[in-house]
Amino acid sequence: NAGVTQTPKFQVLKTGQSMTLQCAQDMNHEYMSWYRQDPGMGLRLIHYSVGAGITDQGEVPNGYNVSRSTTEDFPLRLLSAAPSQTSVYFCASSYSTGYSYEQYFGPGTRLTVT
Amino acid sequence: AQTVTQSQPEMSVQEAETVTLSCTYDTSESDYYLFWYKQPPSRQMILVIRQEAYKQQNATENRFSVNFQKAAKSFSLKISDSQLGDAAMYFCAYRSSLGRGTYKYIFGTGTRLKVLA
Repeated sequence: NAGVTQTPKFQVLKTGQSMTLQCAQDMNHEYMSWYRQDPGMGLRLIHYSVGAGITDQGEVPNGYNVSRSTTEDFPLRLLSAAPSQTSVYFCASSYSTGYSYEQYFGPGTRLTVT
Repeated sequence: AQTVTQSQPEMSVQEAETVTLSCTYDTSESDYYLFWYKQPPSRQMILVIRQEAYKQQNATENRFSVNFQKAAKSFSLKISDSQLGDAAMYFCAYRSSLGRGTYKYIFGTGTRLKVLA
């Protein structure tokens, strides 16, 4: 199993550009989520999904869109990049039922918006 | 709304000594899950330990153990026999049920642990 994969690992954007951060998992997890990590602020939830076709907003959703057309993929779209979106982005997934509820994280994407 | 607070931005420990990282949370739920994650310089998030709120017994994983005080809403992590490889950022997390089969995870701001040789 590859686990949770994210692409790209690094990205530099100019203000106003759009892009999609890719996330995929091969563990058949129902739950997937996107976080951003900023110094001194921990991980903040952007969007999450409890299954294909179902998404909802987290703590800091403004400027980001998501969709979940398959169980495996959960892309994050930046509509018009702003310097405030400079951050490290993590995708995570977990089972919805069962004992663990452990979230498995991807390696992260470091995004810089100039 | 649920919150998770880690009041220690940075901690230091001598190699082979014991250190405790603090975490408090605020919730009105009675059944929930708590986690400690480790983030080394590689940036990869690694699960250290988990605790189910309905279990009174504190979770233990080798050199890592927790002190779970449900009434006080406290969930501290104890690392025994600290090793250089334990140096990392540690995050406390809470799994919050939103009802109708949905839930979300809330993270604290992290504690950076330095291990001194």
